[in-house]
Amino acid sequence: EADIYQTPRYLVIGTGKKITLECSQTMGHDKMYWYQQDPGMELHLIHYSYGVNSTEKGDLSSESTVSRIRTEHFPLTLESARPSHTSQYLCASSDSQGSSYEQYFGPGTRLTVT
Amino acid sequence: AQSVTQPDIHITVSEGASLELRCNYSYGATPYLFWYVQSPGQGLQLLLKYFSGDTLVQGIKGFEAEFKRSQSSFNLRKPSVHWSDAAEYFCAVVIYGGSQGNLIFGKGTKLSVKP
Repeated sequence: EADIYQTPRYLVIGTGKKITLECSQTMGHDKMYWYQQDPGMELHLIHYSYGVNSTEKGDLSSESTVSRIRTEHFPLTLESARPSHTSQYLCASSDSQGSSYEQYFGPGTRLTVT
Repeated sequence: AQSVTQPDIHITVSEGASLELRCNYSYGATPYLFWYVQSPGQGLQLLLKYFSGDTLVQGIKGFEAEFKRSQSSFNLRKPSVHWSDAAEYFCAVVIYGGSQGNLIFGKGTKLSVKP
């Protein structure tokens, strides 16, 4: 079944640690996204990618980085986590070759930095 | 620049009552519009979308939305709310131009359902 996966679902980590949030999709979509969402708040686009070796910054400035070495994989990395990074991170994908622009979302990773 | 406004932050309705969630957009041409739902601790699920044609679109879970160009609105409706509909609802519009295909989301409306 085509889907989009995120791991871990929950992560509690200390300040200064390096973390990588994983996102994978099996739909063959070329475009992928990372959103940051504070509890009960709107979604902010922090990164997106048009395809392999393409990464762009979104509307909200973020200290995180992303990579796109494989079409299906779009990990997000924080080199040194801080309490201000505590948030929910949502990954999404879409097929830019179609005309629907519909984005498919993963279940999210809730990150807590202590 | 395109934008999306959801005027209601929080709405409470009784189970079985009708529901309307408001969404207004700003964009010159006919936009592509979406409604997503997010249950607590989950990602977003697409309820319905509008691109062109019939201005009344049907979605999943008994939801529908009506595109009104004259009012720049795309309000979400359901005739009879179920307790399981309690969630956060987001309206979104497609960006054209430099970030082609990216979505702009509204701030969301939290729906609570009273028994």
